[in-house]
Amino acid sequence: AQSVTQLGSHVSVSEGALVLLRCNYSSSVPPYLFWYVQYPNQGLQLLLKYTSAATLVKGINGFEAEFKKSETSFLLTKPSAHMSVAAEYFCAVSDTRSGNTPLVFGKGTRLSVIA
Amino acid sequence: EAEVAQSPRYKITEKSQAVAFWCDPISGHATLYWYRQILGQGPELLVQFQDESVVDDSQLPKDRFSAERLKGVDSTLKIQPAELGDSAMYLCASSPRVLVNTEAFFGQGTRLTVV
Repeated sequence: AQSVTQLGSHVSVSEGALVLLRCNYSSSVPPYLFWYVQYPNQGLQLLLKYTSAATLVKGINGFEAEFKKSETSFLLTKPSAHMSVAAEYFCAVSDTRSGNTPLVFGKGTRLSVIA
Repeated sequence: EAEVAQSPRYKITEKSQAVAFWCDPISGHATLYWYRQILGQGPELLVQFQDESVVDDSQLPKDRFSAERLKGVDSTLKIQPAELGDSAMYLCASSPRVLVNTEAFFGQGTRLTVV
């Protein structure tokens, strides 16, 4: 079964600093990978997704992600943190071998931005 | 912009009572998911529908939980009787008819508190 591990349950960065969140997947076949963001008492919003077209993916609000097959990782970055990006971030995977398989989520990383 | 609608947003109920949540997916989306998110954790799949049929309910506690999507459009998730451990965010999501690599679109969720 697919699984995903997010490194760091809580990450703090200074305003203006680089945001870097890491996700590792466990699968012999590279899955589809997604990063979602969740603000308090809200649903999940898609930031970006990797679907094997390119290893560097651009998302909304200045976020990017890099797929590294050799490290089975999916790294989410944003060059300069702003207070507005303080939220919970979830990495998710789905099986590439069949359609509409449900997303399997990691436990999340809470991002804090320090002024 | 089309959204997944959920109601109510918040629900407080006493243990042993019945509670129900409603979800209206994005128009035309054949796949509907119910996820449960315990505070501080990632969402976990409870049930997946394809049109009106259940595709996966292996993680649904069937002694107390039930889900239906009678006409293949909106869906209801019911808990009877509610237990203290059911306190969580219940998220509904939808995705288009069988497409690989598609993301799930989430509603705002229903925050359930069992007292």
